[in-house]
Amino acid sequence: SYVLTQPPSVSVAPGQTATITCGGNNIGSYSVHWYQRRPGQAPVLVIYYDTDRPSGIPERFSGSNSGNTATLTISGVEAGDEADYYCQVWDSGSHHVVFGGGTKLTVL
Amino acid sequence: EVQLVESGGGVVQPGGSLRLSCAASGFTFDDSAMNWVRQSPGKGLEWVSLISGNGDTTYYADSVKGRFTISRDNSKNSLYLQMNSLTTEDTALYYCAKDGGNSGYDVDYWGQGTLVTVSS
Repeated sequence: SYVLTQPPSVSVAPGQTATITCGGNNIGSYSVHWYQRRPGQAPVLVIYYDTDRPSGIPERFSGSNSGNTATLTISGVEAGDEADYYCQVWDSGSHHVVFGGGTKLTVL
Repeated sequence: EVQLVESGGGVVQPGGSLRLSCAASGFTFDDSAMNWVRQSPGKGLEWVSLISGNGDTTYYADSVKGRFTISRDNSKNSLYLQMNSLTTEDTALYYCAKDGGNSGYDVDYWGQGTLVTVSS
C-alpha cells in the first residue's frame, strides 16, 4: 500500500521557520492533511487539503504539495509548537487512510 | 461543540476480546464517517478502521482485518470497535476520530483516547 515518509526529527530555534516534509510517490496527486500532536494530548488538524487551515489555526502554519513531496511550514516558531507532526492521505486504491511516520519538532 | 468520548479500554490477555465505544455529540452523527486510529507506545499514528455515515461501508487496516469489526448505532450517536484475537501488537491508545466530510478523508475532531493493554 501507499507509503508516506517523514524525517524523524526537525529542530529549529524560536522565531525561525520549521519545514517538515512528507514524501510519497506522486503525492502531488493526493490531498494531504497535517496533524499536530502535543505530548499527552489528542492530535489536532492543522492543515487540510494541502494548504487549508482550520479555524483557530494560526497563519504561521502553511502547507504545499507538489511532485513527490508535501511540506508543512511553520513560520515564527514558538515553544508551544513543539510537538509531533503527521501527514496523512487517503489511498483510494487500497481504501486505506495512510499516516506518515511522524516528525518530532524540537524548539531549541 | 463537538465531543468524542471513548470508553471500554483496559487490560486483556492475548487472544482475548474487547469492545470499545465512542459517544459522539455536537454534530449530525449520521452525516459523518468515523474512524478508529491508534497509537502504540513510542510509535506513530496508525489508522485502524473507517465506517461511512450510514454504516454500509467499512474499511480496515491490513493489521486488523478479520479480527476487528467497526460498527455504529446512529440512534445512539455511538461508534464501536469489536476487537477479537488480540495480540500484544494491539496495545495502544485508541482514538475515535470524526471524518472532515469533504471527501478528502481528513480527521477534523479527535477524542482523548482509551488505552488498551494486551498482556499476560
